[in-house]
Amino acid sequence: EADIYQTPRYLVIGTGKKITLECSQTMGHDKMYWYQQDPGMELHLIHYSYGVNSTEKGDLSSESTVSRIRTEHFPLTLESARPSHTSQYLCASTGSGTGGYEQYFGPGTRLTVT
Amino acid sequence: GDSVTQMEGPVTLSEEAFLTINCTYTATGYPSLFWYVQYPGEGLQLLLKATKADDKGSNKGFEATYRKETTSFHLEKGSVQVSDSAVYFCALANSGGYQKVTFGTGTKLQVIP
Repeated sequence: EADIYQTPRYLVIGTGKKITLECSQTMGHDKMYWYQQDPGMELHLIHYSYGVNSTEKGDLSSESTVSRIRTEHFPLTLESARPSHTSQYLCASTGSGTGGYEQYFGPGTRLTVT
Repeated sequence: GDSVTQMEGPVTLSEEAFLTINCTYTATGYPSLFWYVQYPGEGLQLLLKATKADDKGSNKGFEATYRKETTSFHLEKGSVQVSDSAVYFCALANSGGYQKVTFGTGTKLQVIP
C-alpha cells in the first residue's frame, strides 16, 4: 500500500482566496508530481520535482506554484483561486527503487471555487 | 513524442462477461507499460505492469501482454465483477529525464449485476 497523503480531500472556497494543497509521502521517493484531472478523467501534468529545491512546470500551463523544501513534502499553492481552477488534483511520487518507474498516487483533492 | 491511445468508454458489461480494453502506444526506445485503475473518489493505483517485450503483467485476474510488434498492451479479464467498475488508464514510461509517465485518456468500465 502506497504511503502518500493529500489534504484536504475536499475543499470549497470563494474566488480570490489563497489556498495550499498538501501532499506528503513517507517512502523516501525523490521524484514527485502534481496532476490536474478534468471531468473527462484525463490527467494533465502541471508540476514535477526531481528532489529538494528542484521544481519544474509540466505539460499543462497552470497558475499554481509548488515548492520542495523537504523530500517528503510537495505542496501546491494557488495565490488567488478562480472558478476555472475547479478540478481534481492528484499528487504522485516515484523513486529510483521502484521498478519500471511506476508512480504512487495520493487520494486526491477535489477543489471547487465558487 | 510519446503517446498512448486507449479505447473510449464508457464500457458497460454484465457480471461474468469477458473484458478487453485496447491500448496502443507510440514511443521511442523501450518503454515500460502500465495499467492503472481509479475507483470512484480515489487516486490511481497500479494494477499491473510490463517492462519489456513479451512480458505479461497480471493482477486480480487482469492480464496484459507487452506486444512490441503491434505496439499494444491490451487489458483483459475473463470474468468481470461489479467491484471492477472503475476507470482504467493505460500508461507508459520511458527511461531518463524526470521519469515522466504518459497516460491514456482513461476508459470507464461499468459492470452491472
